[in-house]
Amino acid sequence: GENVEQHPSTLSVQEGDSAVIKCTYSDSASNYFPWYKQELGKRPQLIIDIRSNVGEKKDQRIAVTLNKTAKHFSLHITETQPEDSAVYFCAASSYQAGTALIFGKGTTLSVSS
Amino acid sequence: GAGVSQTPSNKVTEKGKYVELRCDPISGHTALYWYRQSLGQGPEFLIYFQGTGAADDSGLPNDRFFAVRPEGSVSTLKIQRTERGDSAVYLCASSRQSSNTGELFFGEGSRLTVL
Repeated sequence: GENVEQHPSTLSVQEGDSAVIKCTYSDSASNYFPWYKQELGKRPQLIIDIRSNVGEKKDQRIAVTLNKTAKHFSLHITETQPEDSAVYFCAASSYQAGTALIFGKGTTLSVSS
Repeated sequence: GAGVSQTPSNKVTEKGKYVELRCDPISGHTALYWYRQSLGQGPEFLIYFQGTGAADDSGLPNDRFFAVRPEGSVSTLKIQRTERGDSAVYLCASSRQSSNTGELFFGEGSRLTVL
């Protein structure tokens, strides 16, 4: 089955800096890669996703890149703000294989002002 | 309802007891997922339903865990002979898309503590 590895487990940045979180996946059939944000005590919420037919997607300060050959994808947050502090999870699934979304272990991002 | 509803929000039980956790998904969502999340970890996949049937139950850790969705809406996760290691937050999520590549909307979770 699918296995998703996520790095780093913790990341501390100064406000205004960029943050990058990286994930690798094992199943070459995976074709959907979302990122979820979970604030303390809250439920995970989707912030951006990418499908395997594109290499990059951007939404304001957030971007995701995908390298299918290397089986890795990354989340980039620019101009970080204190409210970006949360746990971020990457995930992967395959429509063709009918597999459920498998999550990484998460990255705790701390943005200090 | 407006969102995914899970009950109970908190459940404390003794080792060996039986527990049921309920999930009421967003109306019209055909896909329903159960995950469990331990402190400092990502959501661990348990089972996912498309309609009434379990499309993938490969994440259920052992035969003490079982889930049903008899009418394609509400789902119940059942845990028999609970063990201390079952303590976690059990998250339910639903998705409007019939495929498994759509946004998941999570509930607040049911926090299970096994003493």
